[in-house]
Amino acid sequence: EPEVTQTPSHQVTQMGQEVILRCVPISNHLYFYWYRQILGQKVEFLVSFYNNEISEKSEIFDDQFSVERPDGSNFTLKIRSTKLEDSAMYFCASSERLLVLSYEQYFGPGTRLTVT
Amino acid sequence: AQKITQTQPGMFVQEKEAVTLDCTYDTSDQSYGLFWYKQPSSGEMIFLIYQGSYDEQNATEGRYSLNFQKARKSANLVISASQLGDSAMYFCAMREGNTGGFKTIFGAGTRLFVKA
Repeated sequence: EPEVTQTPSHQVTQMGQEVILRCVPISNHLYFYWYRQILGQKVEFLVSFYNNEISEKSEIFDDQFSVERPDGSNFTLKIRSTKLEDSAMYFCASSERLLVLSYEQYFGPGTRLTVT
Repeated sequence: AQKITQTQPGMFVQEKEAVTLDCTYDTSDQSYGLFWYKQPSSGEMIFLIYQGSYDEQNATEGRYSLNFQKARKSANLVISASQLGDSAMYFCAMREGNTGGFKTIFGAGTRLFVKA
């Protein structure tokens, strides 16, 4: 069964460093998403991406964040200058169709980012 | 105002018994979708069940059913015949039609403990 993959599973970085989280969505999917989950808290939407541009973003997704689909398979989240509060689990998700009603998004296993 | 409210931070249930996890939502949209996800201790997000705002019947998926009461804006998850493997965090989530379906909003979650 096709699945969303994410690398690395755990990333440790120092405050102020740039970090890139990588995701490989399911191959025929067209819509891509990043969510984050601070330890013990709810999952929060960051950004959605379609047709090589951001479709929607939350207030969390400020200028420190960027997303890119550098080739036909990868989808990346870059944090330019990490802060301690960026420590969280970051989930990538993808869906085949526009998420209006029943079309499901498939989540990757997550990347745990620890900023020290 | 919270869009998704889960008022039970933790719930205990005896194995083989049924349990109801509460979820209320707030939207002015006529078209929206409601979802439940399971997050075991390993961290991945597992889709459980979906209910569309126009669906007249309550959704069911195996041991999971969604008690949808539109006038009360509630979408409670019922797990029948609980199993030890059901111990996990459960998130209620919603997508609203006016955002084009790009953003999924999650509740704070309910941690379910199944006792042997």
